[in-house]
Amino acid sequence: EAQVTQNPRYLITVTGKKLTVTCSQNMNHEYMSWYRQDPGLGLRQIYYSMNVEVTDKGDVPEGYKVSRKEKRNFPLILESPSPNQTSLYFCASSSSVSSGREFGPGTRLTVL
Amino acid sequence: AQSVTQPDIHITVSEGASLELRCNYSYGATPYLFWYVQSPGQGLQLLLKYFSGDTLVQGIKGFEAEFKRSQSSFNLRKPSVHWSDAAEYFCAVGRYSGGGADGLTFGKGTHLIIQP
Repeated sequence: EAQVTQNPRYLITVTGKKLTVTCSQNMNHEYMSWYRQDPGLGLRQIYYSMNVEVTDKGDVPEGYKVSRKEKRNFPLILESPSPNQTSLYFCASSSSVSSGREFGPGTRLTVL
Repeated sequence: AQSVTQPDIHITVSEGASLELRCNYSYGATPYLFWYVQSPGQGLQLLLKYFSGDTLVQGIKGFEAEFKRSQSSFNLRKPSVHWSDAAEYFCAVGRYSGGGADGLTFGKGTHLIIQP
């Protein structure tokens, strides 16, 4: 089944404890991106990647890192999480710019 | 920079009635436009997209949208809503940076409530 998977789905952590949210797609898509969803703000793009080793900042990159060492994986790294990063995170992939994005199921992160 | 406005935060519609959700975008060239739906506790599902060509786009679940360049709009419509259509709806425009294109700019969403 073609899909985008994220892990973990739920995570509660404390301020300053490094964490990684994994994202993997099995559709051989070139484009992958991360979004965060907050009430009243909709979805905002954090980072995106157009191909292996090619990444760029979105609208709200502060406090996040990404890497794209393999085509299928695009992990999101929070080196020192803070409470304002409590949010619902979505990974997405697509085969091209004009294609609809396939979204993962989301990761709900709480930083205490 | 691209932007998307969904003027209605909440809309209430009776089951069986018609629906129109508004979306206005700001973009200098021909945009890529999308509508997504998010059911409670779920991820986002693509309803339809506009890239070029016919300005009336058909999607899944009986939805359609019309691209109107003169009004910078991409409104979503459905002739008869079902209780299962209750969800959050997001309009999005494809974004471009200096090095190329990817990513979407989303509107803040419209919460659709269906009355029995």
